[in-house]
Amino acid sequence: GENVEQHPSTLSVQEGDSAVIKCTYSDSASNYFPWYKQELGKRPQLIIDIRSNVGEKKDQRIAVTLNKTAKHFSLHITETQPEDSAVYFCAARVDDYKLSFGAGTTVTVRA
Amino acid sequence: GAVVSQHPSWVICKSGTSVKIECRSLDFQATTMFWYRQFPKQSLMLMATSNEGSKATYEQGVEKDKFLINHASLTLSTLTVTSAHPEDSSFYICSASQSGPYEQYFGPGTRLTVT
Repeated sequence: GENVEQHPSTLSVQEGDSAVIKCTYSDSASNYFPWYKQELGKRPQLIIDIRSNVGEKKDQRIAVTLNKTAKHFSLHITETQPEDSAVYFCAARVDDYKLSFGAGTTVTVRA
Repeated sequence: GAVVSQHPSWVICKSGTSVKIECRSLDFQATTMFWYRQFPKQSLMLMATSNEGSKATYEQGVEKDKFLINHASLTLSTLTVTSAHPEDSSFYICSASQSGPYEQYFGPGTRLTVT
């Protein structure tokens, strides 16, 4: 099955700086890569996603890049704010619609 | 749109008893529903996939006789934890999607504590 690795496990940044989280996947058939933000005790919320026919996607301060050849994708958050503090999960999906999640990154934005 | 609810939001039960968790898609028909378990500070682990009117498909290592899943309609799936033990204490989250490779919409989760 699909195996998704995520790094780093924790990330502390100064408010206003950028944060980057990287994920790699093992199944070359994976075609959909969502990113979720989860606050303590809450449901995961989709913040951005990218499909395998696209190399980059941006939504305001959030961007995702995908390198299919290397089988890795990254989340970029610019101009970080305290409310960006949360746990972020990457995921990958093949055609059977099951999501395989990374281990998560705890992001702390220091004011 | 695309709202998924779960009930209850939290439950405490005694060891040996059974607990049922409901997952509902409120404004769309969910052909497929997924059940996840999340331990503290860990990732979401897929337990099973259920399609309306069919038996659930369980992931390796998940006991199907312990975690009973029923997806009787296009808007409701239930997870029953039978003969619960303290190690079953966890955050259980469902998600639902429409037919085809659409986004999964997550429920708010159910915190289960077994004493």
